[in-house]
Amino acid sequence: QQQVKQSPQSLIVQKGGISIINCAYENTAFDYFPWYQQFPGKGPALLIAIRPDVSEKKEGRFTISFNKSAKQFSLHIMDSQPGDSATYFCAAGSSNTGKLIFGQGTTLQVKP
Amino acid sequence: GAGVSQSPSNKVTEKGKDVELRCDPISGHTALYWYRQSLGQGLEFLIYFQGNSAPDKSGLPSDRFSAERTGGSVSTLTIQRTQQEDSAVYLCASSSGGANTGELFFGEGSRLTVL
Repeated sequence: QQQVKQSPQSLIVQKGGISIINCAYENTAFDYFPWYQQFPGKGPALLIAIRPDVSEKKEGRFTISFNKSAKQFSLHIMDSQPGDSATYFCAAGSSNTGKLIFGQGTTLQVKP
Repeated sequence: GAGVSQSPSNKVTEKGKDVELRCDPISGHTALYWYRQSLGQGLEFLIYFQGNSAPDKSGLPSDRFSAERTGGSVSTLTIQRTQQEDSAVYLCASSSGGANTGELFFGEGSRLTVL
């Protein structure tokens, strides 16, 4: 019940294209769904997050789509840039504790 | 600095030795988390502190792993009798602990290599 499943494991996109990463969770008690971005040698950093009372959140080129009934959420990166090349982690958690369960990560490469 | 600080950044040890990893969270952050990231893997939750207490230790892999937090600030993760499978990057994160914040701020990690 604690798992968060993320796909794909790796993704190659041309500059200007759309990158899409998907996640699914099991625990219906989760009420917070963030995406973290990690560059090599650095710790993960929060990119964008959503709570289950909305179905979509957009910040610049990054959009989270959330489907509560399917227990799925996804990250869309519009107009992908080489600087977006990084590892992306979805996560799910409870705002009571702040504890997050992370997906396995997606390594994104954006080709110039 | 203003971020989460971890030390050492790199640690190479021999199998069977004990190691201590240190985390200095952002000043004023009441919640502190330890995660483990193995090569090509996701972030595995280890333990969570609220203040000096650890309400959730469910992720500690074995009794060789322990952690403490003193003064509501610095935390130490100790691995006794290290094994090769303990090799990983150990990440610490802190948050303000507010019910609606959610954001974890991560350090750059301590890379542990057990020979």
